[in-house]
Amino acid sequence: EPEVTQTPSHQVTQMGQEVILRCVPISNHLYFYWYRQILGQKVEFLVSFYNNEISEKSEIFDDQFSVERPDGSNFTLKIRSTKLEDSAMYFCASSAQQGANTEAFFGQGTRLTVV
Amino acid sequence: QQQVKQSPQSLIVQKGGISIINCAYENTAFDYFPWYQQFPGKGPALLIAIRPDVSEKKEGRFTISFNKSAKQFSLHIMDSQPGDSATYFCAALGGGGNKLTFGTGTQLKVEL
Repeated sequence: EPEVTQTPSHQVTQMGQEVILRCVPISNHLYFYWYRQILGQKVEFLVSFYNNEISEKSEIFDDQFSVERPDGSNFTLKIRSTKLEDSAMYFCASSAQQGANTEAFFGQGTRLTVV
Repeated sequence: QQQVKQSPQSLIVQKGGISIINCAYENTAFDYFPWYQQFPGKGPALLIAIRPDVSEKKEGRFTISFNKSAKQFSLHIMDSQPGDSATYFCAALGGGGNKLTFGTGTQLKVEL
């Protein structure tokens, strides 16, 4: 069964450092997303990406965040200067289409710990 | 308002019992309501979903009941099994854009 793959599974970084979280979406999917889940809280939308550009972003996705699809298979989330409050589980997701009745498939997540 | 409110926060059910999780939304533009199941260390996985033009959808032991006028929907797990122990999230999509708005999650534990 096709799946979304994320690396690394756990990343520990110093405050102020840059991190890049990587995702390989399902191969024939066209829509890509990043969500995050702070420990014990709900899953929150960060950004959606289609046709090599951001289609929607939340207020959480400020100038410290960026996304890229550098080579047609990987989808990355970069945090330029990490803060303690960026510590969370980050989930990548992809879907074949957009809108209702479209299943978004989630990866297993990257746990980011900022110290 | 984009919020989706979910209750209870945690639930303990005996094996064979019925687990019920409730959600409420405010944005009437939402037009797709999926439920996600999440096991520890894994990402959320789609369990079952409903459109607002139907009042109930059943797939195996899982049923969504939808009340459009009350803006509420619920997940019923019949004959709950220990393997159902997980965190369940309701979600909503629509209202402009392609993002899922998640509820706060319910940690379900099914005891023998």
